[in-house]
Amino acid sequence: DAGVTQSPTHLIKTRGQHVTLRCSPISGHKSVSWYQQVLGQGPQFIFQYYEKEERGRGNFPDRFSARQFPNYSSELNVNALLLGDSALYLCASSEGPKDTEAFFGQGTRLTVV
Amino acid sequence: AQTVTQSQPEMSVQEAETVTLSCTYDTSESNYYLFWYKQPPSRQMILVIRQEAYKQQNATENRFSVNFQKAAKSFSLKISDSQLGDTAMYFCAFRNTGNQFYFGTGTSLTVIP
Repeated sequence: DAGVTQSPTHLIKTRGQHVTLRCSPISGHKSVSWYQQVLGQGPQFIFQYYEKEERGRGNFPDRFSARQFPNYSSELNVNALLLGDSALYLCASSEGPKDTEAFFGQGTRLTVV
Repeated sequence: AQTVTQSQPEMSVQEAETVTLSCTYDTSESNYYLFWYKQPPSRQMILVIRQEAYKQQNATENRFSVNFQKAAKSFSLKISDSQLGDTAMYFCAFRNTGNQFYFGTGTSLTVIP
């Protein structure tokens, strides 16, 4: 079985641009969560989606948004990129929104220049 | 709010020796899970060991074991018979019932041949 897949693996953007990151969960998993991992820090929770609805949001500005599609894949969008948005963005999938095992993807490395 | 603290930014251990990584957390929740994740340079978050808060017995997975002190909100990881492949960043994480993870800042472990 394929694990959690994220695309792209790396990308470079310029300040002020917009970026879209994608995540495909493990087959059968209906919940997707997004995390931001700044260099030298632990991952920080951004969003959780389950059955296409937002179930949780971390302390991130409105420039960050996400959505989940009928096939349970998800996109994370970041507008008006800042240098501080440079980070590894991790996606985690689980069967449901509560008390179920979560599996992480390998992440997308975003560099803002 | 939940917080996770790892007070050891870096540690090293001789191959075949034992090392203990420290973690403390703070929460007002009564039902939660605690995890140790390993993140090698490949960036993949790999689950090392998991502990349910309602279980008093400390979790063990082969060479990895934890010392869970619920009253003290302490959750340390012991790695026995350290191997070169154990070299990585180790993150302590708290997961609430909503499947949202809160991570510490990590401990960089180096196993010395």
